[in-house]
Amino acid sequence: AQSVAQPEDQVNVAEGNPLTVKCTYSVSGNPYLFWYVQYPNRGLQFLLKYITGDNLVKGSYGFEAEFNKSQTSFHLKKPSALVSDSALYFCAVRDRDGGYNKLIFGAGTRLAVHP
Amino acid sequence: DVKVTQSSRYLVKRTGEKVFLECVQDMDHENMFWYRQDPGLGLRLIYFSYDVKMKEKGDIPEGYSVSREKKERFSLILESASTNQTSMYLCASSTRRISNQPQHFGDGTRLSIL
Repeated sequence: AQSVAQPEDQVNVAEGNPLTVKCTYSVSGNPYLFWYVQYPNRGLQFLLKYITGDNLVKGSYGFEAEFNKSQTSFHLKKPSALVSDSALYFCAVRDRDGGYNKLIFGAGTRLAVHP
Repeated sequence: DVKVTQSSRYLVKRTGEKVFLECVQDMDHENMFWYRQDPGLGLRLIYFSYDVKMKEKGDIPEGYSVSREKKERFSLILESASTNQTSMYLCASSTRRISNQPQHFGDGTRLSIL
């Protein structure tokens, strides 16, 4: 079965430092991976996706993610964190579902960026 | 920009009531989804629909039903609300015309069952 794991419930980073939010996946076949962000009392916003091609994917708000097939990981990164990046981050993998674009989500990682 | 609108941001209902949560999207998307979000559990799929009048069970359909009479509208129904259905409910939509497009989410309905 397809699955996604986010091993950290919370990540704390000082403003200006680089940040990494971890995600590992388990799929049969090629993975289609997504990152979303959720600000308080809002829905999820799409950040970026990996379908194929370059292992480093760039997305919204200066975020990027590195796909690593051998480690089955898709970690979200940003070179310099902002206090406004504080939010809940979800990694997701597309389910093998015959074209319905269903996603399987991780439990989420809360990112706290301190001034 | 895709707009997914959920009719209520906050809702308080009583045990045993029939509850309707409404979702409308304006991008002519074929797929629509209902999730519930609980701390530490991420998002869990309740039901989804890939066309008008079509519906498929997700991972946790028990106690819920859905209706899709028009392409833009997808309703979630709690047949007889119970306290364990207190949660944040998120609606999403996506296209099937292009592969691997992201889902677009509404702002959620925080439902409390007393």
